[in-house]
Amino acid sequence: GNSVTQMEGPVTLSEEAFLTINCTYTATGYPSLFWYVQYPGEGLQLLLKATKADDKGSNKGFEATYRKETTSFHLEKGSVQVSDSAVYFCARTMMYSGGGADGLTFGKGTHLIIQP
Amino acid sequence: NAGVMQNPRHLVRRRGQEARLRCSPVKGHSHVYWYRQLPEEGLKFMVYLQKENIIDESGMPKERFSAEFPKEGPSILRIQQVVRGDSAAYFCASSVLAGNTGELFFGEGSRLTVL
Repeated sequence: GNSVTQMEGPVTLSEEAFLTINCTYTATGYPSLFWYVQYPGEGLQLLLKATKADDKGSNKGFEATYRKETTSFHLEKGSVQVSDSAVYFCARTMMYSGGGADGLTFGKGTHLIIQP
Repeated sequence: NAGVMQNPRHLVRRRGQEARLRCSPVKGHSHVYWYRQLPEEGLKFMVYLQKENIIDESGMPKERFSAEFPKEGPSILRIQQVVRGDSAAYFCASSVLAGNTGELFFGEGSRLTVL
């Protein structure tokens, strides 16, 4: 099936702390993997993506590596800022038994709070 | 260079009324997706449409909910006889490619409140 599991929040960190948000996915097919970010009152924006095993997506200091052996795509950042406070969603492409892949399946989201 | 446009941004309805949510995809995008976001439940896929076709409606409730994406005009998500449990944020997304490596572009959402 299509499912994504990510760590529950809220995650509260101090500014400049190291961030990890765990994400694992079901191994059906060969999905692409994504991290989206949602700031308060807004829609989701793509943060980074990886389309095959061992690919590393990166953007704005965030990184995630597609690990097929552990079916994981953990989000990391070395030094977080107050402006990183948002909800982060891990996602994978959906797969259909008839082939093809359309749409995304999202995790429940992790609320990140960065304190000054 | 507009992104995905959704309206209304906020909608209040009484139980039993109808709610219509509109979504204009990014210009040139022919794939539209609707998601519902409930507190504590994350983002749930509802339906995937291409122009004049419903490709996947596996996430849509069987009753009261319908969606369309006509040849001309925006995509419409219609909820008939709304109930309090329909209160949620409804997000539309569009893409130019059919998934896999295609990025979804999201609108800012329509927040439905049922009194």
